[in-house]
Amino acid sequence: GAVVSQHPSRVICKSGTSVKIECRSLDFQATTMFWYRQFPKKSLMLMATSNEGSKATYEQGVEKDKFLINHASLTLSTLTVTSAHPEDSSFYICSAPDRASGNTIYFGEGSWLTVV
Amino acid sequence: AQKITQTQPGMFVQEKEAVTLDCTYDTSDPSYGLFWYKQPSSGEMIFLIYQGSYDQQNATEGRYSLNFQKARKSANLVISASQLGDSAMYFCAMREGRDSNYQLIWGAGTKLIIKP
Repeated sequence: GAVVSQHPSRVICKSGTSVKIECRSLDFQATTMFWYRQFPKKSLMLMATSNEGSKATYEQGVEKDKFLINHASLTLSTLTVTSAHPEDSSFYICSAPDRASGNTIYFGEGSWLTVV
Repeated sequence: AQKITQTQPGMFVQEKEAVTLDCTYDTSDPSYGLFWYKQPSSGEMIFLIYQGSYDQQNATEGRYSLNFQKARKSANLVISASQLGDSAMYFCAMREGRDSNYQLIWGAGTKLIIKP
């Protein structure tokens, strides 16, 4: 069935570098992608909503220049954490609705980011 | 005000017993949907069950059922015959408005631990 493939599942990067996380929809067109951040033992926090071919809508308090989101195609959305700092270490997860199947919302497997 | 409230931060349940995870919601929109997700320690979000506000019957999916009490604005998840593999975080989420709105509002989650 349809899934969202998210990579990398785990990444360690040095402070000051950038890291890109990809979410690909398989077998369906992801016109919308939601990007979440999750702190340990906490709920999902919506960072931004991206729509294919347009600029992402960021939630209040989320730095647009730090968390760059690109949704250039119907099957790929990327989140780039720029100039990463240790406080950016977190679990990031994407989700996309399959609009053709009603209420189905698919999640990626998530990415554990550690900035050292 | 919290739109989704999960009052149980953690629960311990004996294996094979049934367990009820509480979820109350707050919305003035007559059209909404309620979701339950399971998140094991690996981080992936596993869809369990969905209830639409206009659905006449409580949703069921295998061992999962949703006790939907619309007047009380509650949507408790019931897991029958719990198994060790049910140990995970459980999140209740709501989508408000028309079906075209896929943005979810999340509860704080309940950590469920099944004891052998």
